Amino acid sequence: DAGVIQSPRHEVTEMGQEVTLRCKPISGHNSLFWYRQTMMRGLELLIYFNNNVPIDDSGMPEDRFSAKMPNASFSTLKIQPSEPRDSAVYFCASSLAGAEYEQYFGPGTRLTVT
Amino acid sequence: DAKTTQPPSMDCAEGRAANLPCNHSTISGNEYVYWYRQIHSQGPQYIIHGLKNNETNEMASLIITEDRKSSTLILPHATLRDTAVYYCIVRSSSPSNDYKLSFGAGTTVTVRA
Repeated sequence: DAGVIQSPRHEVTEMGQEVTLRCKPISGHNSLFWYRQTMMRGLELLIYFNNNVPIDDSGMPEDRFSAKMPNASFSTLKIQPSEPRDSAVYFCASSLAGAEYEQYFGPGTRLTVT
Repeated sequence: DAKTTQPPSMDCAEGRAANLPCNHSTISGNEYVYWYRQIHSQGPQYIIHGLKNNETNEMASLIITEDRKSSTLILPHATLRDTAVYYCIVRSSSPSNDYKLSFGAGTTVTVRA
């Protein structure tokens, strides 16, 4: 298995532009997670999907952030408009549901907003 | 969720065992102990988890005290590639919360030649 796939790996954009991050989970996994990592705040959960349905989006910072999972093999995280404080590494992870199953993380997308 | 306490950093000699402590004194009976690590510029990587019993896999061993208030991750023969930040996480098995992994600051482990 190729593992969790994220694209792009690096994104540099100007303030005010729309940014879309993409994730392909591991086949057969029914849970998908978006995390954000910064030096100041560490690794934070943004949103959790189970069977393509958003279950917990309490970590989404504000309305500029939105996430979708149109099918079991694809998810997007969109920021519109982007701001410099959104600069971070964004990780996607997938797993089977349940505390006994580990989450598998992708390589991350490093976002820089200038 | 139970909080965890880890030392901020530790050094280890290559080829020696690395013993990483974690305190989780407020852990409840239905909470797992999970360990992840994050090598520089990579996503977090699952290492091992346990509930009550000690566990071993190809990467490491997890020793959980009988009262479950602390645990130790053991890397039996540390290599330079084990240099990473190691996170000890307490994870609920309650269906409403079992998806949550709360990553703290972790322990920065540096393996030296």
